[in-house]
Amino acid sequence: GAVVSQHPSWVICKSGTSVKIECRSLDFQATTMFWYRQFPKQSLMLMATSNEGSKATYEQGVEKDKFLINHASLTLSTLTVTSAHPEDSSFYICSAQKENTEAFFGQGTRLTVV
Amino acid sequence: AQSVTQLDSHVSVSEGTPVLLRCNYSSSYSPSLFWYVQHPNKGLQLLLKYTSAATLVKGINGFEAEFKKSETSFHLTKPSAHMSDAAEYFCVVSPFSGGYNKLIFGAGTRLAVHP
Repeated sequence: GAVVSQHPSWVICKSGTSVKIECRSLDFQATTMFWYRQFPKQSLMLMATSNEGSKATYEQGVEKDKFLINHASLTLSTLTVTSAHPEDSSFYICSAQKENTEAFFGQGTRLTVV
Repeated sequence: AQSVTQLDSHVSVSEGTPVLLRCNYSSSYSPSLFWYVQHPNKGLQLLLKYTSAATLVKGINGFEAEFKKSETSFHLTKPSAHMSDAAEYFCVVSPFSGGYNKLIFGAGTRLAVHP
């Protein structure tokens, strides 16, 4: 199957700083990428959908100015958590897909804000 | 609206015994249904998918699931559990047949396998 790589796997940052998470499709071009958030022992919640070259579509309740998503190429999407606070600590997972094919998930990024 | 309910948050089985993870869904359309597995601090791996073809779907690692429209269920089974099956399992629905957009995840079932 196709490979999606997320970087970093884990990151610790100070409150008030910004953190960028990268999601790359290594061996295919992804027309759409999705960003999910997973709280401890809970399920995945879709945060936003990004299509290459256009603005991301955010789910209700997700602050677009807080979670900046850029999908500059068909193989790379980034999620930037701006002015991070402890409540932003979570496991963030991306998925990438070609049109109407399986969505492939990255390994996730554990963010801890101290 | 679409939703998915995993009926058990935890399931514990002995190695070599059958596994049953239960999932019920709600969808206004002909849905696509998936089961994903997540090992600790790892991403998700697709086990199997139903996209309006055969109702009995076979997946990887000996797992299979049966789509029952009359019961709105998509339970995951495996005849004989292996220690390596211990993980978190998510039942997922997509409102569009054949599509992967807007995946809606169940709460997850943690499978423990004892020797």
